[in-house]
Amino acid sequence: GAGVSQSPSNKVTEKGKDVELRCDPISGHTALYWYRQRLGQGLEFLIYFQGNSAPDKSGLPSDRFSAERTGESVSTLTIQRTQQEDSAVYLCASSPQGARTNEKLFFGSGTQLSVL
Amino acid sequence: DAKTTQPTSMDCAEGRAANLPCNHSTISGNEYVYWYRQIHSQGPQYIIHGLKNNETNEMASLIITEDRKSSTLILPHATLRDTAVYYCIVRYNNNDMRFGAGTRLTVKP
Repeated sequence: GAGVSQSPSNKVTEKGKDVELRCDPISGHTALYWYRQRLGQGLEFLIYFQGNSAPDKSGLPSDRFSAERTGESVSTLTIQRTQQEDSAVYLCASSPQGARTNEKLFFGSGTQLSVL
Repeated sequence: DAKTTQPTSMDCAEGRAANLPCNHSTISGNEYVYWYRQIHSQGPQYIIHGLKNNETNEMASLIITEDRKSSTLILPHATLRDTAVYYCIVRYNNNDMRFGAGTRLTVKP
């Protein structure tokens, strides 16, 4: 596809359940970012992947959060034992080479996660 | 902590220029200033970025002060579809573009 694709677009889950969110970056983009956006707030950095380098996980809020990326393709963000405070829009972005160059990020439309 | 300061909200009349200010007084010499916007229920969209010189593209103009401590995003002829949250960002480190709360711009007919 032409843009960053995220699925599902909406996810409703019960407290305590695990969820997996998927991001398909733009083909050829080596850098991939995950952000969280709570209602009415700005974006909160979660994790960054750059090619085959070790990911920057410094933004993950707890050990219930993890993310994987295989090569330069799909990434999944997993939240274990979800809590109501995890309810937010989870946004994925990709860029051609990564943050070491002055390039722009391309964002997906996000996954709206609601934890009941 | 956010490295930029923006007004919480602004209004603009349709067809007029929208001037959105941003303060980044602690910007370092090699940090770029980026602007993104987020229309309701969508992911952020890149607008423009610059280092020292003023920049213009099909969407907007970016005016950066000579000391680089502040900048202004200009939408020359605002339309209703420009209503969005506008984020001013300086590249914080190699891995993280920090998005603050931004400015909520409302374009009114």
